[in-house]
Amino acid sequence: SAVISQKPSRDICQRGTSLTIQCQVDSQVTMMFWYRQQPGQSLTLIATANQGSEATYESGFVIDKFPISRPNLTFSTLTVSNMSPEDSSIYLCSCGGGYNEQFFGPGTRLTVL
Amino acid sequence: GQNIDQPTEMTATEGAIVQINCTYQTSGFNGLFWYQQHAGEAPTFLSYNVLDGLEEKGRFSSFLSRSKGYSYLLLKELQMKDSASYLCAVRDSGAGSYQLTFGKGTKLSVIP
Repeated sequence: SAVISQKPSRDICQRGTSLTIQCQVDSQVTMMFWYRQQPGQSLTLIATANQGSEATYESGFVIDKFPISRPNLTFSTLTVSNMSPEDSSIYLCSCGGGYNEQFFGPGTRLTVL
Repeated sequence: GQNIDQPTEMTATEGAIVQINCTYQTSGFNGLFWYQQHAGEAPTFLSYNVLDGLEEKGRFSSFLSRSKGYSYLLLKELQMKDSASYLCAVRDSGAGSYQLTFGKGTKLSVIP
């Protein structure tokens, strides 16, 4: 199984600022994913991040708001830009440990004031 | 697109058996996952089904019927620590696709 760590674990930010979340995997993985889980809701996929190519965003999410980097096979970042209170959520990094497994990081709990 | 349905809440008694159902309508299908999520924590992988039938893993079992678009998660010998949300997720059938679409989750409460 893959072990995923995220930083920061939580943060409280002011409206209009940006926050970059880091995701580190303990092994090389082809695909990494970023999900959002709003309070009381299930997980929604933001984008898929492949190393060496642009991230693929799901409907409702755009690169200007959620820029993603994937510089190598073990690391990715998600930036939440120009934040508003509606961006308050848990952001989760995920990767596949194999085709029949998919694991999640511990999440970053973001509160925007 | 994907549409995934599961009950919002369930309550069961410690030591009992509970079955959590999940139905899905998808444009493509390449596997169904079940996750457990305790409040304030990340989802934990429980099971994966891609072929019809039952997969057993200790106290947890998962069943899939692709023709019916139906799965269930069976929890036996319930313990208080099993109180959590259980998420059903379907993977699309795109080539090399790993992305999952999640249902809204079933909040299970285990009572003494």
